[in-house]
Order: sequence, then C-alpha cells, then structure tokens
Amino acid sequence: EDKVVQSPLSLVVHEGDTVTLNCSYEVTNFRSLLWYKQEKKAPTFLFMLTSSGIEKKSGRLSSILDKKELFSILNITATQTGDSAIYLCAAATGGNEKLTFGTGTRLTIIP
Amino acid sequence: NAGVTQTPKFRILKIGQSMTLQCTQDMNHNYMYWYRQDPGMGLKLIYYSVGAGITDKGEVPNGYNVSRSTTEDFPLRLELAAPSQTSVYFCASSYSGGAKNTEAFFGQGTRLTVV
Repeated sequence: EDKVVQSPLSLVVHEGDTVTLNCSYEVTNFRSLLWYKQEKKAPTFLFMLTSSGIEKKSGRLSSILDKKELFSILNITATQTGDSAIYLCAAATGGNEKLTFGTGTRLTIIP
Repeated sequence: NAGVTQTPKFRILKIGQSMTLQCTQDMNHNYMYWYRQDPGMGLKLIYYSVGAGITDKGEVPNGYNVSRSTTEDFPLRLELAAPSQTSVYFCASSYSGGAKNTEAFFGQGTRLTVV
C-alpha cells in the first residue's frame, strides 16, 4: 500500500525562525513529489519535485528531494504569520497516476 | 479559466439520504480525484479516474460511487449517508501525458454534514 508520512504533525515557532518540514514516502512507481499549502480552503500548489538533489526555490520557501532515501524537505526561512497553514506533501505515481497525500504538518507562527 | 468547480459548497444531509457532489474542470485534464479531509487530518483518496470511462478505488471508497462519462465531469455519489461521512470533500484534476505532468488543481471544497 502506498504511504506518505509527514513530520512533525504540528509545529509552533516564532516569527523570523526557520523551519524544516519532512516528508517520506513509500510508493510503487514513484513519479514526483508535490508540496501544497492549505490555509482555510483548498490546497494551493507550492512545488513539484521529480529529480534528486535539485533544490526548488520560491522566495523564502525551498524544497529538495532525495530519491535514494525516499524523502523530501520543505524549508521556510524568516517565517511570517502568513506562513501559518497546513503543509501537505503528496507522492504521484506513474502508470496509475494516483496521488497519495500525507496527513500534513500544521505550522503556527507566533508574532 | 474556471479551473475546478465543485458544487454545492455546503450541504447538510440526514442519515440515509443520498446526494451527488458535482465536480467539473475546464482544463482538459485527463486525471481527476476525489478526496475527503477530516478535521485536523490530511487528504484521503476516495476514488480517482485516469480518463473518461475509467475509475479506480482509492484508500477510502466504501459508501461512495463515481462515474466519469466525460473528460470534464467527475461526480461523487453518496447513496446512504452516514455520520462518518461528515467531512470536507475536495475534487482535483491534473494532466499527465508524454513528458508533461502538471500538479493537481483543487476545487474549493464541499463541506458535508450528516446528522
């Protein structure tokens, strides 16, 4: 059975701190790893990672994939209160194109 | 572009009632998905479809049915609503073909309460 595990489940930090969110996966026929941010409604897309070792960056957010160790991390530097959200990662599998999500990390930024 | 559109946004059902959650996308995506999200939890896959006429069970399919008669539409049917189906339901779509794979785009969700 395909499985995606995220850690920690929740994290509370002060504004300005740097956080690292973890995502490990065990899926058949892995194709890509996706990160989403979910505030009040639908998840919004952050990154799609398909190759190992290549960092993707968007402002203060960055992410990297390790296909040998089957995990990805999402880094957020200089956190702001607007970063408070649930961060979801998902593994996409080739062939049947199933997207399996983890349970998410609830990040809370204290002013 | 409207993207992925779900209706209704909210619904209250009595135990044993049935209903259909509608989902349509206008991006010509071949893959469509239905997820449920319980409070404080991640997304659990109910059903998915890789193209018109093809559907597959996800992690939690019991109590639900789907159909995919067109590329655009992927309705989710609850036949006999139960309190355990109280949740927020998200429909999503993506495209995969050749060298091009897109991320999944999500609808705004349907909040369903079964009483």
